[in-house]
Amino acid sequence: GDSVTQMEGPVTLSEEAFLTINCTYTATGYPSLFWYVQYPGEGLQLLLKATKADDKGSNKGFEATYRKETTSFHLEKGSVQVSDSAVYFCALTSTSGNTGKLIFGQGTTLQVKP
Amino acid sequence: EAGVAQSPRYKIIEKRQSVAFWCNPISGHATLYWYQQILGQGPKLLIQFQNNGVVDDSQLPKDRFSAERLKGVDSTLKIQPAKLEDSAVYLCASSRGRGGPDTQYFGPGTRLTVL
Repeated sequence: GDSVTQMEGPVTLSEEAFLTINCTYTATGYPSLFWYVQYPGEGLQLLLKATKADDKGSNKGFEATYRKETTSFHLEKGSVQVSDSAVYFCALTSTSGNTGKLIFGQGTTLQVKP
Repeated sequence: EAGVAQSPRYKIIEKRQSVAFWCNPISGHATLYWYQQILGQGPKLLIQFQNNGVVDDSQLPKDRFSAERLKGVDSTLKIQPAKLEDSAVYLCASSRGRGGPDTQYFGPGTRLTVL
């Protein structure tokens, strides 16, 4: 079945460092891909999404490109801030039945130090 | 626009007791989801409603979990009887349409601890 694999955390960076969080997926069809973020004490929020191959999603300085050839959707940011400290989840819409069901990776914790 | 509301935010019960969670989706959203998020894992779908009909409940442990969405608006998720392994955050989400790449909006979750 469909699945998502994220890099293990926690990831600890200094402010203004470059961020990459790796995400790869397995799917039988052509899923849409998402990054959700969970700030401390808050609910999951959509960060960005891409619905077809080579699409680039972007928001708040974060970017991710849908790479069908490598089945990847890596999250990047050029200069992280302390306020970016959160748990980041990569997800895809299940290709079974087009119901919109999300399949999540296990999450990657990012800690940014001043 | 008001977000997805959930209550209670926290619940502690003994094993074998019953518990219920409530969710009110964003107004006008036809699709409602319940996810279970165990500590250190990503959320896993338990059940999906389209209006008041069930679209997917393939991962709902039906011997102890039940859910309903009366009138196609708010929803309740019940566990009876609870087991230790049910300790998790229960997330409700809603989206406008029939699924696909529609954005899902999540509530704050209910953190359940089973002792």
